[in-house]
Amino acid sequence: AQSVAQPEDQVNVAEGNPLTVKCTYSVSGNPYLFWYVQYPNRGLQFLLKYITGDNLVKGSYGFEAEFNKSQTSFHLKKPSALVSDSALYFCAVRDSGGASKIIFGSGTRLSIRP
Amino acid sequence: NAGVTQTPKFRVLKTGQSMTLLCAQDMNHEYMYWYRQDPGMGLRLIHYSVGEGTTAKGEVPDGYNVSRLKKQNFLLGLESAAPSQTSVYFCASSRQGGYTFGSGTRLTVV
Repeated sequence: AQSVAQPEDQVNVAEGNPLTVKCTYSVSGNPYLFWYVQYPNRGLQFLLKYITGDNLVKGSYGFEAEFNKSQTSFHLKKPSALVSDSALYFCAVRDSGGASKIIFGSGTRLSIRP
Repeated sequence: NAGVTQTPKFRVLKTGQSMTLLCAQDMNHEYMYWYRQDPGMGLRLIHYSVGEGTTAKGEVPDGYNVSRLKKQNFLLGLESAAPSQTSVYFCASSRQGGYTFGSGTRLTVV
């Protein structure tokens, strides 16, 4: 069965510093991987996805993610954090059972201090 | 563009009461989903639908029923609410894998 793991419940970063939010995955076959962000009292918003091709995927709001097949990781990164990046971030993988179902990780709360 | 609209946004139920959550999308998406979000557990799939008139169970379907009589609407029903169903419920729709989420329904069962 497909699954994703986010090992950190919370990540704290100073504004202007680089940030990384970690995600590892377990899939059978080729992985379809996603990152979503959730701001308070809002639904989830799509950030980026990896299906195939370049291992470095660029997404919304200056975020990017690095796909590493040997380490089965898909870490989210940003070179310079903003206070407005503070939110809940979810890594996700498409389920192999069809219907485009997505399986979500448990989420990582990112807190950017001024 | 409305996208995915969920109603109601908030609701408090007493144990044993029933209610229906409505999800409506105006993007002509084939696939629709209901998830629940609980602290530390991410989003878990309750039920989903691959088209009008079809529904299927997800990861945590017990205690819920769904219907998709029209392509644009996906209803989630709780026949007899329990405190364990206190959660935030999200609806999503998809075509070719791109998900659009509603803003959620916060349900409290007392």
